Amino acid sequence: DAGVIQSPRHEVTEMGQEVTLRCKPISGHNSLFWYRQTMMRGLELLIYFNNNVPIDDSGMPEDRFSAKMPNASFSTLKIQPSEPRDSAVYFCASSRDEGESYTFGSGTRLTVV
Amino acid sequence: SQKIEQNSEALNIQEGKTATLTCNYTNYSPAYLQWYRQDPGRGPVFLLLIRENEKEKRKERLKVTFDTTLKQSLFHITASQPADSATYLCALAPSGGYNKLIFGAGTRLAVHP
Repeated sequence: DAGVIQSPRHEVTEMGQEVTLRCKPISGHNSLFWYRQTMMRGLELLIYFNNNVPIDDSGMPEDRFSAKMPNASFSTLKIQPSEPRDSAVYFCASSRDEGESYTFGSGTRLTVV
Repeated sequence: SQKIEQNSEALNIQEGKTATLTCNYTNYSPAYLQWYRQDPGRGPVFLLLIRENEKEKRKERLKVTFDTTLKQSLFHITASQPADSATYLCALAPSGGYNKLIFGAGTRLAVHP
């Protein structure tokens, strides 16, 4: 298995533009997670899906952020409009079942200028 | 408030010695706790999982302990090597049925030859 695949690896965009981050979880994993990592705040959970259904989105910062999981093999995290404070590394992770380990992707480094 | 605390200062040790990293938590009753390793520019990688009814877990040169009375987990690397240099993150899953990991800020370990 190729692991959790995220794209793009790097994204530089101007303030106000829409940004879409993509994730392909490991086949057979039931849960998918979006995290954001910054030096100041560490690794923060944004949203969690189980069997393609959003379970907990309490970490989504504000309405500018949205996430979807249309099927078991694909998820997107969208920021519209983007702001400089959204600059961070965004990780997607998946796990097979509750109580199991997570497999993280390589992350998307987002820079909003 | 709920907190997960790891030493923010880097831990510097000599090759061959045992590294011990600490994870303390407050206002959580975790069902399990996990340890991850993160290298610069990469996503976290799972190392060990320990459940609330387990006191100790081992894997090769790694050992994790979990004391739910002290609300503390210790992570040990024996016979440390320069290749063990990385940031180590502890993460716990609050009890309540959610497969949702909350991460500490991590401790950076540097093993010197």
